[in-house]
Amino acid sequence: EVQLVESGGGLVQPGGSLRLSCAASGFSFSTHTMNWVRQAPGKGLEWVSYISSSSSTIYYADSVKGRFTISRDNAKNSLYLQMNSLRAEDTAVYYCATEGLGYSGLSFDYWGQGTLVTVSS
Amino acid sequence: DIQMTQSPSSLSASVGDRVTITCRASQSISSYLNWYQQKPGKAPKVLIYAASSLQSGVPSRFSGSGSGTDFTLTISSLQPEDFATYYCQQSYSTPRTFGQGTRLEIK
Repeated sequence: EVQLVESGGGLVQPGGSLRLSCAASGFSFSTHTMNWVRQAPGKGLEWVSYISSSSSTIYYADSVKGRFTISRDNAKNSLYLQMNSLRAEDTAVYYCATEGLGYSGLSFDYWGQGTLVTVSS
Repeated sequence: DIQMTQSPSSLSASVGDRVTITCRASQSISSYLNWYQQKPGKAPKVLIYAASSLQSGVPSRFSGSGSGTDFTLTISSLQPEDFATYYCQQSYSTPRTFGQGTRLEIK
């Protein structure tokens, strides 16, 4: 069974940093792309970042470029999101998600339960 | 970036109704269009991928159609568990973008 478990969320002051983790199990993590998607309270879904299986290709949303860094450790089956210079508008539930893991095209087919990041003084 | 626009933003319907949600892309995305259902406090769940392919385990009352810029999600006969928020999302290019969502409420 595919499982994605996020951790590392919490309350942080504006300008602060936080590192999110996503522990993956139930599939061959090292051969699949991963993404972070976030959802501000009461708002819609926003894609944040993408990383290829070997970490050779990385993309970011313009809203986080230069402040967030996605990475992965295939030996530990783990995905990370280092978030620096946090702003109030980064407040959201952050989900890790696979893309096209199963027979589901290029959809985000498996999601974690999410971890809440609150940026406030 | 490709903009995704859903309509309506909200919809009231009754159990048994047929419901259609539309999604328009700002440029052609071929069939790289996915639909998700999200219930309060839960992660989204993929219903339809590649515009019209039903995800495994999803009831057949859900269907998707369209290509290019215009897409639809249809629920043929609403069930109580279908009241949720629905999102379209394009996987044609990066950044991946979502529609703003359609909240489906009980009438």
